[in-house]
Formats: sequence, structure tokens, C-alpha cells
Amino acid sequence: GEQVEQLPSILRVQEGSSASINCTYENSASNYFPWYKQEPGENPKLIIDIRSNMERKQTQGLIVLLDKKAKRFSLHITDTQPGDSAMYFCAANSNNRIFFGDGTQLVVKP
Amino acid sequence: ETAVFQTPNYHVTQVGNEVSFNCKQTLGHDTMYWYKQDSKKLLKIMFSYNNKQLIVNETVPRRFSPQSSDKAHLNLRIKSVEPEDSAVYLCASSPGGYAEQFFGPGTRLTVL
Repeated sequence: GEQVEQLPSILRVQEGSSASINCTYENSASNYFPWYKQEPGENPKLIIDIRSNMERKQTQGLIVLLDKKAKRFSLHITDTQPGDSAMYFCAANSNNRIFFGDGTQLVVKP
Repeated sequence: ETAVFQTPNYHVTQVGNEVSFNCKQTLGHDTMYWYKQDSKKLLKIMFSYNNKQLIVNETVPRRFSPQSSDKAHLNLRIKSVEPEDSAVYLCASSPGGYAEQFFGPGTRLTVL
């Protein structure tokens, strides 16, 4: 079955509003959770990550939350801009194996 | 310049042919990966490899095989391509399993 589930698959928001993407994972041994942004025609690039010894991390308009009990983590983009439009992938790493979610297409409407 | 390099950028071939894609990283990383990204943008790991261990995604068909001469190079060979192999193949490297991965620009394979 799916190792990492990511929702929603498509997210449309108005410029200036916030956007949230949620992921769940199966393996309780997972201890590293990166988020990648992929723009059209480009390769994925890390935007923020969180390790299992943290519950919250924030950088430059991005917030990630980790709930280890629920095996759930999420990305929150505050004050979205058109440049935030892209594919976003969550991932979970355990036992030297990494599994990606299926991605979220974020569309920020001006 | 330190980065992840892939060749070729594009490759078009016929069903049944053998293809080989190259990947080189100059970041000094110990671990390299191959991913397949299909037309729906789904990103699936195929292999991860360091000097000590090859981890294979069990869903990868046996016609795919990684080839490494040293820790800076990890090539991908497909013995007999099939139409469903059409995709972008992304190579990545990282210092280890629990760290940022740096992706190459990808190789787009089209199987006719």
C-alpha cells in the first residue's frame, strides 16, 4: 500500500491567502520529513524539512508541523504569491528508505 | 561548479532497445538515487545506492539495473525498454539517508 499519502492533489488558492498540504505516513520509524517544490520544467528542490525531534519548524513564510502520534505532517504556506504555484512533494525517510507522496499541484490565483 | 549532472537530456528509442543514462555528482555525497517521474508527475524511487548498500524498490522491473563505478557516478541501464518506461528519470544525491537530496535536471525517455 501507499507509504506516504498526500492530500490534496490539487489546491487552488487566492493570492495572499494561506495554503495547507497534509501528509500521513505508515512507518513509525520514519524520522526525517522533507518537502520539495518542483516548478514546471525544473527538478525538485528542498524548501523545508523537519526531523522527528521537532514538532514545528518555520522559515520564510513556510511552516511545517509534525504529529508523530498521528503519523501526520503538514506544510503551510502563508501569504501565497503567484511564484508559489508549483508541484509540492512531501516525503518520509525511515531505515534509509525514502518515500514520496503523490504531490500537490498548488495554483495561486492573482 | 558542484551539482548533479545527467546525460542525455532526452532520448527517443524503439521498444525492445537497450538504453543507458548517466549521472554524476560533484557534491562529495555518499548516496545516490534514481527516480522515475511519470506524466502525472508521480515521483517514484527506483534505487538508492552508496558504497555499501544497494536498495531496490521491489516494484521496479528487472530490466532496470543501476551501475556504479564509484560513489560519484550512478548510471541506469534499461535492458529492453517498453512503452510504459516513457518518463523523466531523475538522479539525485545526498550526504546520507536523512538529509536533503539534490536532484539532477533529468533525462526524458520516450519509447515509441
